[in-house]
Formats: sequence, structure tokens, C-alpha cells
Amino acid sequence: QQQVKQSPQSLIVQKGGISIINCAYENTAFDYFPWYQQFPGKGPALLIAIRPDVSEKKEGRFTISFNKSAKQFSLHIMDSQPGDSATYFCAAPRDGGSQGNLIFGKGTKLSVKP
Amino acid sequence: DGGITQSPKYLFRKEGQNVTLSCEQNLNHDAMYWYRQDPGQGLRLIYYSQIVNDFQKGDIAEGYSVSREKKESFPLTVTSAQKNPTAFYLCASSIERTGTVLSGANVLTFGAGSRLTVL
Repeated sequence: QQQVKQSPQSLIVQKGGISIINCAYENTAFDYFPWYQQFPGKGPALLIAIRPDVSEKKEGRFTISFNKSAKQFSLHIMDSQPGDSATYFCAAPRDGGSQGNLIFGKGTKLSVKP
Repeated sequence: DGGITQSPKYLFRKEGQNVTLSCEQNLNHDAMYWYRQDPGQGLRLIYYSQIVNDFQKGDIAEGYSVSREKKESFPLTVTSAQKNPTAFYLCASSIERTGTVLSGANVLTFGAGSRLTVL
């Protein structure tokens, strides 16, 4: 079945802390794992993405860790800031679909307290 | 600047009425998509189109219709058959590639969304 399971549903972190959001997938044909960030009233925007042939990708304070054997990937936000407060979605391409046809997790609402 | 323009941003509809949401892109992207977002439900695919004059149903197409007469335009009609239309609707586009995934080349670019409320 093509699903991406995301947790937690919501997350509260103190400023300067580490935010961790996890996703699990079932279909081993997935070959691209993006994370999207969405601010209230706006459309999602690509934050960072990883391919399964690497175990980790870092861009600034944002890191994706990928565990192919466990079929899990996670987003780590280091030194979390109030401006990071948003909803985060993990996603994967739909098996056999067009490259932009993504299956999304249900989202994690992150609140970073000052 | 290139991007996706959705209109209107807010729309109110009476029960039994059809409404059309506009989506225009100037990114020269081949593929366009409509997603529906509900609280706690993530993004669910309504319809998508990989090429002009062709489109496919997504996971929740019932009660919706689309057209793709031009590469840059992909309007969504919410019909009276959609029983629970109140939601945030997102249009997106991407470069279409077959075969090997090109990192970043198939990124979904989203519009700012249209919020539909049924009165």
C-alpha cells in the first residue's frame, strides 16, 4: 500500500532545541523523499529532499536522516527558532506515477517557544 | 518572477452551486496538480495533468472536474456533487520527467492556495 506515516502530529520545542519529525513508508520503490514547510495561509514550499542512496543530507540547520532498512526517514531542525514554527510534511513519489505526483504525510505542526 | 497564481484567495459558496478555482503558472512546467488540504489530513490529490488536453483522477476526484486547454492553466471546478467542499485548495506544478529522478528537477511548486467555505 502506498502510504507515508508521519509523527508526531504536533510538536512544541523551546528556542534553541532540536525538533525531530519522523516518517515511515511502505513501498520500497520510493526513490525521492522531500520535506515541505508550510506557514499559515500559504502554500507548502520545498525545504529539503533526499534520495535513498545516501543516509543523511544537511542544509544549514535542517538535516534529513534516512534509514533504508527500517524504511524510515526523519527531519531534524537544529537550534530551532520561532521562525521555524510551521507545519511540516514529508512526502514520497507515488509508485508508477509522474515524478511530481507525491503522497504526503498528514503533517506535523511545530511550535517553537521563545 | 515565475510562479503559480491561484484565485480567488477566499471564496464562499452556497450549497448547490458550482464554483471554479483558477490556477495559472508561468514556470513552463509540463505537469499540474490540484490538492485538497483539511486539518490533520495532509494533502490529498484531486486531479493531475501531465500534458495539455489530458488529465487523470487522483485519490479524491469525486465531485470535482478539471480542464487543461492550455499548458499554463489548470482550473478546478467544485461541483454541487461534492458533499463536503469546505477546504483549502492548493494548485501545484512540476517539470515532468520519466525514468531517472533528477534531484530537484521534479520539485512540486505550490500556489498560495484558495480557501473555499460553503455557507
